[in-house]
Amino acid sequence: KAGVTQTPRYLIKTRGQQVTLSCSPISGHRSVSWYQQTPGQGLQFLFEYFSETQRNKGNFPGRFSGRQFSNSRSEMNVSTLELGDSALYLCASSTPTDSYEQYFGPGTRLTVT
Amino acid sequence: KNQVEQSPQSLIILEGKNCTLQCNYTVSPFSNLRWYKQDTGRGPVSLTIMTFSENTKSNGRYTATLDADTKQSSLHITASQLSDSASYICVVSEGSTLGRLYFGRGTQLTVWP
Repeated sequence: KAGVTQTPRYLIKTRGQQVTLSCSPISGHRSVSWYQQTPGQGLQFLFEYFSETQRNKGNFPGRFSGRQFSNSRSEMNVSTLELGDSALYLCASSTPTDSYEQYFGPGTRLTVT
Repeated sequence: KNQVEQSPQSLIILEGKNCTLQCNYTVSPFSNLRWYKQDTGRGPVSLTIMTFSENTKSNGRYTATLDADTKQSSLHITASQLSDSASYICVVSEGSTLGRLYFGRGTQLTVWP
């Protein structure tokens, strides 16, 4: 069974631009969560989607948004990029029968210059 | 305020030695506590998940303990190997309908030959 995949793996953008990251969960998983990881703050929860609906949201500004498609694939978008948005963005999917267990993708390394 | 604190921040040990990582939390209500291992440049991988009623769980050379009364957990690594070099992250799930996750900042473990 294929794991969680994220594209692209690496991305360089300039301040003010916007970016869209993609996450494909493990087949059969309907919940997708997004996290931001920086050396200073560690892992921080962005939002969670389940069956195309945002079920949970962290404390991030409105520049961070996401969506989930009917096939459970998810995208997150960051508009008006700031230098502080440079981070590893991780996506994780959960099984339909065991929401405790999350499977993480390899992440997208975003660098904002 | 719900928080997860990990100690030490970093640790260096020699191959073959044992070590113990600590996690203290204030998350309430409590649902479960997880330990993840994250290799550099990769997404976290789950090691153990413990609910309120469990006070110890093992996964190979990794043994996690949980004291729900004192809100402390530890991860013990036995006979360390070079491949154990990684960041170990403690995650506590809130016991509400949202099930929000709270992350520690991790302990960076380096195993030297």
